[in-house]
Amino acid sequence: DTAVSQTPKYLVTQMGNDKSIKCEQNLGHDTMYWYKQDSKKFLKIMFSYNNKELIINETVPNRFSPKSPDKAHLNLHINSLELGDSAVYFCASSQEDTSYEQYFGPGTRLTVT
Amino acid sequence: AQSVAQPEDQVNVAEGNPLTVKCTYSVSGNPYLFWYVQYPNRGLQFLLKYITGDNLVKGSYGFEAEFNKSQTSFHLKKPSALVSDSALYFCAVRGYNNAGNMLTFGGGTRLMVKP
Repeated sequence: DTAVSQTPKYLVTQMGNDKSIKCEQNLGHDTMYWYKQDSKKFLKIMFSYNNKELIINETVPNRFSPKSPDKAHLNLHINSLELGDSAVYFCASSQEDTSYEQYFGPGTRLTVT
Repeated sequence: AQSVAQPEDQVNVAEGNPLTVKCTYSVSGNPYLFWYVQYPNRGLQFLLKYITGDNLVKGSYGFEAEFNKSQTSFHLKKPSALVSDSALYFCAVRGYNNAGNMLTFGGGTRLMVKP
């Protein structure tokens, strides 16, 4: 019954590797997001997808690429991982133009060694 | 560009006492404001929002927030704190830029409720 789910919960990998994080929402929302939370707990939006169309792309390196196979999924692919990519990544979803609040997944803790 | 400030890194309060977590914002147009709570090793949970209407909004777990347009503030309050309220609290504002809508978060305030 989880509204927004992410896999994996923990991801430990070496520099230079390519990895993916999956996100699924069963709320029927039309917009999904990826956030990065750094070690100081600061949250920054990375991407937003609305009806399978990218509508926000902050100053994120192009090593990061979101992929949305359908409205319920937004996966995050990261190429050539760097030490500075270590963080907790959160997926979220919302229904824009009606309720606006975002619902967050449990997070994926990425550690790059 | 919109911004959110949470001036206190940490707020300490005794159980049973009222609590306030402060938030001020800057945004063009009418503000859409939100409070979220994050427990250790968990995702953010939505508490409450202000879109329009009554300046005092009530949310989950007995929390409420007061929207003050002249002071551009949206402080989170609870009449009687519980130890279980101890967590990290984030204020956020929804704004607009050329790329569309976005949610900007404050830096977070850690609430410590002591028995």
